[in-house]
Amino acid sequence: DGGITQSPKYLFRKEGQNVTLSCEQNLNHDAMYWYRQDPGQGLRLIYYSQIVNDFQKGDIAEGYSVSREKKESFPLTVTSAQKNPTAFYLCASSTGGGRSYEQYFGPGTRLTVT
Amino acid sequence: GQQLNQSPQSMFIQEGEDVSMNCTSSSIFNTWLWYKQDPGEGPVLLIALYKAGELTSNGRLTAQFGITRKDSFLNISASIPSDVGIYFCAGRTGANNLFFGTGTRLTVIP
Repeated sequence: DGGITQSPKYLFRKEGQNVTLSCEQNLNHDAMYWYRQDPGQGLRLIYYSQIVNDFQKGDIAEGYSVSREKKESFPLTVTSAQKNPTAFYLCASSTGGGRSYEQYFGPGTRLTVT
Repeated sequence: GQQLNQSPQSMFIQEGEDVSMNCTSSSIFNTWLWYKQDPGEGPVLLIALYKAGELTSNGRLTAQFGITRKDSFLNISASIPSDVGIYFCAGRTGANNLFFGTGTRLTVIP
């Protein structure tokens, strides 16, 4: 089955610790994205990558870091510098060409930092 | 980022009723997408619109790309309990990134 997987579904961390969220896709999509969703709010873009070994900051990149060493994988690290890390994190991917703007989402990871 | 105003914020309807929601922007968009999100899950793409005036259906769902390119509408006909969820619009300007509305929370009363 083609799709996007995020793991784990729930993640708990102590304040001051870095944590890495996994995102893998087997859709052969070139572009991948990370969003943050807070209760009652829309999705806000953290980072995106159009191609392997290249990524760009989104609207709320501060306190986050990413890497894109493989086409299939786009892990997100939430660093201790992120002031309000508790949120629902969504990974998405899209293909190139005329339909490149249709983003497909993974199931999300809910991160709780105490 | 861009501001997308989505309304209404929430709706409570009886099963079988039709539903309408919309999304407006102060900027011109080249693409409009509509997603549905179930609690604790990722959004699922429902409909994609690429041309001003375009009207596209997906089963009981119909969406339109507004003529001004600053708005989009989603209609659901004959609602059923599994339509419950949060519906998001998303729009794209000249760049590749999408901007999302704040969502319409739909509750269907059996």
